[in-house]
Amino acid sequence: AQKVTQAQTEISVVEKEDVTLDCVYETRDTTYYLFWYKQPPSGELVFLIRRNSFDEQNEISGRYSWNFQKSTSSFNFTITASQVVDSAVYFCALIGTGTYKYIFGTGTRLKVLA
Amino acid sequence: EADIYQTPRYLVIGTGKKITLECSQTMGHDKMYWYQQDPGMELHLIHYSYGVNSTEKGDLSSESTVSRIRTEHFPLTLESARPSHTSQYLCASRAPNTGELFFGEGSRLTVL
Repeated sequence: AQKVTQAQTEISVVEKEDVTLDCVYETRDTTYYLFWYKQPPSGELVFLIRRNSFDEQNEISGRYSWNFQKSTSSFNFTITASQVVDSAVYFCALIGTGTYKYIFGTGTRLKVLA
Repeated sequence: EADIYQTPRYLVIGTGKKITLECSQTMGHDKMYWYQQDPGMELHLIHYSYGVNSTEKGDLSSESTVSRIRTEHFPLTLESARPSHTSQYLCASRAPNTGELFFGEGSRLTVL
């Protein structure tokens, strides 16, 4: 069975704080892809990053960084020096190769307070 | 930037009306999806298409139907809307090489 767990339902931080959003996944596939999407209040989902199961390198993009660890089946997302514009719901997702179905987590609502 | 469009963005209608939510993409993607989502909540797959003339129902039972007559167009229809259909409907298409899903801005439906 495939599953994505985002245990943090809602997180509130004060602007400029660092925050980490957790994502834990389960899959029997040896090849799979992991994603993070951002959903601001306007409603559309915005792609942030994709990782394949063979690439465990961490990635940094500006204030965003991602830590992929196969040993713990986790793909965590850190925002450094958070800003009010980071306020959104963030979704982690998984898809195995050869399948059409994306498994989304239940999302983490991040509130960044000024 | 994604080239996937949904109309209408917002729709308020009365019970029993027939509605069609439009979704179009200009990227030539074969695989397209419809998700239903209450605001900020979990996404539920309601329909999927592999390509022209190919559609499948998703995990969440839905009274809606879809069609895929052209690659770029994947409309969703509710024959008789009910208050329980009030939700946001998100359309997406899948990039073949990266697997990235491109989402439209969503259609927020309210049925009175």
